[in-house]
Amino acid sequence: QQQVKQSPQSLIVQKGGISIINCAYENTAFDYFPWYQQFPGKGPALLIAIRPDVSEKKEGRFTISFNKSAKQFSLHIMDSQPGDSATYFCAASMDRGNDMRFGAGTRLTVKP
Amino acid sequence: EPEVTQTPSHQVTQMGQEVILRCVPISNHLYFYWYRQILGQKVEFLVSFYNNEISEKSEIFDDQFSVERPDGSNFTLKIRSTKLEDSAMYFCASSALTGPQPQHFGDGTRLSIL
Repeated sequence: QQQVKQSPQSLIVQKGGISIINCAYENTAFDYFPWYQQFPGKGPALLIAIRPDVSEKKEGRFTISFNKSAKQFSLHIMDSQPGDSATYFCAASMDRGNDMRFGAGTRLTVKP
Repeated sequence: EPEVTQTPSHQVTQMGQEVILRCVPISNHLYFYWYRQILGQKVEFLVSFYNNEISEKSEIFDDQFSVERPDGSNFTLKIRSTKLEDSAMYFCASSALTGPQPQHFGDGTRLSIL
């Protein structure tokens, strides 16, 4: 019940296309859902995060869509660029806790 | 922008030896974390630390592991007697507040157990 399931495992998108990564969770006590971007040899860097009181959050080319009833959330990268090529992790944590649960990661490749 | 820094970037240790991984969190942050990422797998929570004590720990964080804040700037993870399966990237993170707050990660220490 503590797991966060992420798909796809890898994704190839043409430059200018939309990248979509999906995550699902079981524990309804989760109420903070960040997305992290990780480049090779670097630590995860926070990209964007959402709380369940909103259904969508947009920051530049990055949008999180959140479906509380389905217990799913997704990351959309608009106008994908080769520089977006990285591994993306969704995560979830509870308001009262520090234990952040990560998805398995999606390796995104944006072809020029 | 302030960063979390970790040293060393790569540590090679013989099985059974003790190893200490070091982290300097962002200076005004109060909450500190260690995570582990086995090659090709997801990032896993190990422990969180606040006010000089462990606030949460996962099932991975057994008696072989310990954390310490020996001074006002460093935060360390000690593995007492390393096993082959401890080989992984270890990430330190820090946050200003607890709960659902952004956690800022360092670039990790790659631990290789021979």
